[in-house]
Amino acid sequence: EDKVVQSPLSLVVHEGDTVTLNCSYEVTNFRSLLWYKQEKKAPTFLFMLTSSGIEKKSGRLSSILDKKELFSILNITATQTGDSAVYLCAVEEWGETSGSRLTFGEGTQLTVNP
Amino acid sequence: DAGVTQSPTHLIKTRGQQVTLRCSPKSGHDTVSWYQQALGQGPQFIFQYYEEEERQRGNFPDRFSGHQFPNYSSELNVNALLLGDSALYLCASSRNWVNQPQHFGDGTRLSIL
Repeated sequence: EDKVVQSPLSLVVHEGDTVTLNCSYEVTNFRSLLWYKQEKKAPTFLFMLTSSGIEKKSGRLSSILDKKELFSILNITATQTGDSAVYLCAVEEWGETSGSRLTFGEGTQLTVNP
Repeated sequence: DAGVTQSPTHLIKTRGQQVTLRCSPKSGHDTVSWYQQALGQGPQFIFQYYEEEERQRGNFPDRFSGHQFPNYSSELNVNALLLGDSALYLCASSRNWVNQPQHFGDGTRLSIL
């Protein structure tokens, strides 16, 4: 059965700290791994990773994928209170006739205190 | 450029009733996927529609059905509602054959009394 496991499930830090969120997966027809940030409603897209070892970076956020060990990490440096959210890891499977589907982990609830 | 829009925002129903949720995809997208997100959990895939057909389905009973219209918008129907159907229902859109991320709407919060 396809599985995506995130850790930790919950994390409380102080502003300025650096955090690392983890995501491991087991899926059949892997196409990509995605990170989303969810505050109240819509998950908003952060990164899409398809190749091993290539770091994607956006401001204070970065992410990397290891397709051999089947995991990804999301790093946030110099955290701010606005980073408080649930961070979701999803793995995309794709087939020519079946299309794509995302399998999500439970999410990591990050709380950044001032 | 409008993103993914869903309606209604909130809905309260009682057990046994039926509900229809609606989704308009982002401009340029032709594929719509539906997800159910229970409180404190990650979203779970319900099904995906492309070219007005259900292309793939997750582990949900037949009470969950859908439709896609020629303008790519979509509906999710749930019959014989159960208390356990209370959740946030998310619609995501994408373009077929293009390896780009799915974009999500704000969801419909469904509460079953």
